[in-house]
Amino acid sequence: QVVLQESGPGLVKPSETLSLTCTVSGASVTSGYNYWTWIRQPPGKGLEWIGYIFDSGSTKYNPSLESRVTISHDTPNNRFSLNLRSVTPADTAVYYCAREAWYSSTWRGFDPWGQGTLVTVSS
Amino acid sequence: EIVLTQSPVTLSLSPGERATLSCRASQSVSTFLAWYQQKPGQAPRLLIYHASNRAPGIPARFSGSGSETDFSLTISSLEPEDFAVYYCQQRSNWPFTFGPGTKVDIK
Repeated sequence: QVVLQESGPGLVKPSETLSLTCTVSGASVTSGYNYWTWIRQPPGKGLEWIGYIFDSGSTKYNPSLESRVTISHDTPNNRFSLNLRSVTPADTAVYYCAREAWYSSTWRGFDPWGQGTLVTVSS
Repeated sequence: EIVLTQSPVTLSLSPGERATLSCRASQSVSTFLAWYQQKPGQAPRLLIYHASNRAPGIPARFSGSGSETDFSLTISSLEPEDFAVYYCQQRSNWPFTFGPGTKVDIK
């Protein structure tokens, strides 16, 4: 069973960097043909795909955030991380990590998800 | 960017009734469409992938259909635990996008 767990500060000041980590158990972040993904949801609003890091380390980001975001592996600890620079109150959201899996060359959607962590941007 | 439009915004039904939710894409996504259920305070849960495949552990009352630009999620007989918000999501083109959601609430 694959389980994901987000961790990081719940409060970040404007103009600073939001840093979150997703710890994965039950799968390796560097093998298995998985796309390790970050998604966010502002309070009371819908879901926004932030980007992913593939097993190989290649990344893809949402163009709306690309200039400010980095997703990376922490291989020894089987984790992957999100850094979002120069945050504003508009970046306040619940941040989820999720696995996008492909089995037998078939896309299987985002499953599972972490429980999510609320990050508030405020001075 | 592919825009997903969901209708209706809210669906008010009673337990035991049939629910049909719609998702329309601004351009073809083939069958690269998934459906998720989200309850208050919880992460979304995958229901359907590749338009019509139920995820492991999802009850048979949930079914998905469609291709290209028009998709639907059907709940054949609503159970009390099915009242939630439902999102569609495409992974045909970057950036991957979600629809705005349909809320299924109790009539």
